[in-house]
Amino acid sequence: EPEVTQTPSHQVTQMGQEVILRCVPISNHLYFYWYRQILGQKVEFLVSFYNNEISEKSEIFDDQFSVERPDGSNFTLKIRSTKLEDSAMYFCASTDSLQGSRNYGYTFGSGTRLTVV
Amino acid sequence: KNEVEQSPQNLTAQEGEFITINCSYSVGISALHWLQQHPGGGIVSLFMLSSGKKKHGRLIATINIQEKHSSLHITASHPRDSAVYICAVSLMNTGNQFYFGTGTSLTVIP
Repeated sequence: EPEVTQTPSHQVTQMGQEVILRCVPISNHLYFYWYRQILGQKVEFLVSFYNNEISEKSEIFDDQFSVERPDGSNFTLKIRSTKLEDSAMYFCASTDSLQGSRNYGYTFGSGTRLTVV
Repeated sequence: KNEVEQSPQNLTAQEGEFITINCSYSVGISALHWLQQHPGGGIVSLFMLSSGKKKHGRLIATINIQEKHSSLHITASHPRDSAVYICAVSLMNTGNQFYFGTGTSLTVIP
């Protein structure tokens, strides 16, 4: 079954450093998403991406965040200057249509745990 | 403000029991999703619903659009069903953006 792949699985970074989280969505999918989950809290929407541009973003997704699809396969989330409160699990997801793929909706990656120290 | 409310927050069941997890939402939605989050953190999409009922194996999901309510049922529960079950909605006007419930932590005891 096709998978969404995220790398790395765990990243530790110093406060103020830039990090890039990588995702390889399913190859025929068109809509891409980033979510985050702070430990013990609910999952939060960050941004959606379609046709090489951001289609929606949440209040969390401020100027410190950016997304890119540099080469047609990778989908990256960059945090320019990390803060302690950016520590969270970051999930990438993709789908082939806004109505979700036939039965299961969206496919999620296994997440990147970001720890800012 | 919570657009999505789930109950119960925690649920412990004996193996074989029939389980129901509820989700209520307060906004107009284009679709409702049930997700399963494993202890390691990975998220699996179980169902996407905009009306009626869907079934996959021992899992059944229903939605009542008028009452803004959905339920996830697990029949003949098994310890491997132990996970956090999350309800999420995509809003009518912003179909790309999900709002998530806080999740229901299910533990099935052998």
